[in-house]
Amino acid sequence: SQQGEEDPQALSIQEGENATMNCSYKTSINNLQWYRQNSGRGLVHLILIRSNEREKHSGRLRVTLDTSKKSSSLLITASRAADTASYFCAPNTGGFKTIFGAGTRLFVKA
Amino acid sequence: DTEVTQTPKHLVMGMTNKKSLKCEQHMGHRAMYWYKQKAKKPPELMFVYSYEKLSINESVPSRFSPECPNSSLLNLHLHALQPEDSALYLCASSTPSRQQKGYDEQYFGPGTRLTVT
Repeated sequence: SQQGEEDPQALSIQEGENATMNCSYKTSINNLQWYRQNSGRGLVHLILIRSNEREKHSGRLRVTLDTSKKSSSLLITASRAADTASYFCAPNTGGFKTIFGAGTRLFVKA
Repeated sequence: DTEVTQTPKHLVMGMTNKKSLKCEQHMGHRAMYWYKQKAKKPPELMFVYSYEKLSINESVPSRFSPECPNSSLLNLHLHALQPEDSALYLCASSTPSRQQKGYDEQYFGPGTRLTVT
């Protein structure tokens, strides 16, 4: 597997606003996953998008994948204070190895 | 049951101590992982077990010794640790992808916060 690079590194928004974070990777993938981590806790799997999919929704989350640009984006709509966390993408090229990038730290102000 | 449990939640140990971290899952996953995470950093992969066999060792020092006694249980034995080994240790499990390539999502435990004094 390979490392995803998230952008921006940090994002601060007001409650109710949308938050968009991006992930870029370098080689072909089988799937790409997004995880959330609240401070000092384990990671929570949010959504998995396969290489033959372009968009996927789960509740307030929308993930897009552009394999030609080797990039993905995670959109959180109508953000809440509880969405404050670090978000990591994990591109999977077919092995068990996951290299997490630095992540995007999202802060949602109430 | 979609839960990965880790014990203990917190551990303080001296540099001469021997201790073990435990991880358990009952989802039938056949891949299990240990990660180390320092404050404000992403998780770093340490070990991967696939079908109870060590598949990946990311050049981890021998003072960390993993063990997978069965498909549900993963241990990390600690001996002669250094203060810089203080970190959050995360366990995860996953199942092979339905497409037979790679794996699907990983399920993480809450972690063990380790402090080495």
